[in-house]
Amino acid sequence: DTEVTQTPKHLVMGMTNKKSLKCEQHMGHRAMYWYKQKAKKPPELMFVYSYEKLSINESVPSRFSPECPNSSLLNLHLHALQPEDSALYLCASSQGEVGNTEAFFGQGTRLTVV
Amino acid sequence: GEDVEQSLFLSVREGDSSVINCTYTDSSSTYLYWYKQEPGAGLQLLTYIFSNMDMKQDQRLTVLLNKKDKHLSLRIADTQTGDSAIYFCAESKEDSWGKLQFGAGTQVVVTP
Repeated sequence: DTEVTQTPKHLVMGMTNKKSLKCEQHMGHRAMYWYKQKAKKPPELMFVYSYEKLSINESVPSRFSPECPNSSLLNLHLHALQPEDSALYLCASSQGEVGNTEAFFGQGTRLTVV
Repeated sequence: GEDVEQSLFLSVREGDSSVINCTYTDSSSTYLYWYKQEPGAGLQLLTYIFSNMDMKQDQRLTVLLNKKDKHLSLRIADTQTGDSAIYFCAESKEDSWGKLQFGAGTQVVVTP
């Protein structure tokens, strides 16, 4: 099983809403990631969790709040987003080996902020 | 990603071989990866190569690595219409664990 599952697949939210994106993997991976991808661009790293602890925050605005409740789950809490935050949000996981980021990606959540 | 460069577009006829190229600048790269992204979907890891290797083959896919020129290529044999997608090369480095540096992506269009 090399699957990373993301829910929901699509999300439309207003600028005053609070919503959460969810990600789950059962590969025993100890590193999990959030990426943001705009149309026709490569993914941009947002956060990395290693062994359930936040290890990298790529200077992401505080309106994005990650959470790792356990080694299989990763959430991204959204609050007071802007229309420019509309994008495909990708979750990924990897074994957590130093130097090898062989990451498996989910199908993404297509987020539209109105 | 300014550290990894790819050509933006490749058109290939069905049944021919495709070659997608990528150059990187940092010799401290440890692993180099190829990902495929179909429209509206996430990224699918196709293959990867460790920096001390020069070739890796996996069914229709062949990865070549020229460390001297910092050049990576992905060859797809017998290209099919289902191979139409955006292909990203990416690198990871031992001193920046957890980060993948992606190229801009190459859009491959397979014509019948």
